[in-house]
Amino acid sequence: GAGVSQSPRYKVAKRGQDVALRCDPISGHVSLFWYQQALGQGPEFLTYFQNEAQLDKSGLPSDRFFAERPEGSVSTLKIQRTQQEDSAVYLCASSFGIDRKAFFGQGTRLTVV
Amino acid sequence: AQTVTQSQPEMSVQEAETVTLSCTYDTSENNYYLFWYKQPPSRQMILVIRQEAYKQQNATENRFSVNFQKAAKSFSLKISDSQLGDTAMYFCAFMITLGGSEKLVFGKGTKLTVNP
Repeated sequence: GAGVSQSPRYKVAKRGQDVALRCDPISGHVSLFWYQQALGQGPEFLTYFQNEAQLDKSGLPSDRFFAERPEGSVSTLKIQRTQQEDSAVYLCASSFGIDRKAFFGQGTRLTVV
Repeated sequence: AQTVTQSQPEMSVQEAETVTLSCTYDTSENNYYLFWYKQPPSRQMILVIRQEAYKQQNATENRFSVNFQKAAKSFSLKISDSQLGDTAMYFCAFMITLGGSEKLVFGKGTKLTVNP
């Protein structure tokens, strides 16, 4: 596609519910990133994929957070047993790799009630 | 530690004037890239400008230019002829590559308002 696409745009989850957030990167982009952005803050790194390989998951805040990119294209960020502190905007970005230009999607705003 | 500091939480400028947003960073890496991103209320992070750390020449993109001082670890953004559409949050960031992984580290942002 023309840009990075994320779905859903908005998600309201009850505390304890599992959620899955989807990211469709720009076609041909090797690198894929997930970020968490709290209100009024800068994005915080969660995890990085190079094709299907998850090379860095150092930013995932707990073992309730899980990300995958099984075929090196679409990625899913899954949050199990959501907590109120998980409320944030989740941003996905992709890049071709060599040029280090990361392009972001519009994000998913997750609200846990 | 890899950190980015944006010391101006908010700034305002009159339309058509020039404004400079400050950014300092800290990294022990020698090879990295620096970026300014713009985030309007729509939430979409838009890449404004990129600078390779090994290049001494300052990057420019139309009305946007940077002042990159590598020794001082400073990377400020200058917006000339400000337009109402420039109103947004601006984030300074750098990208490092470690062990095959890439990571963008962001500052907390500067909220820029362009007044008519």
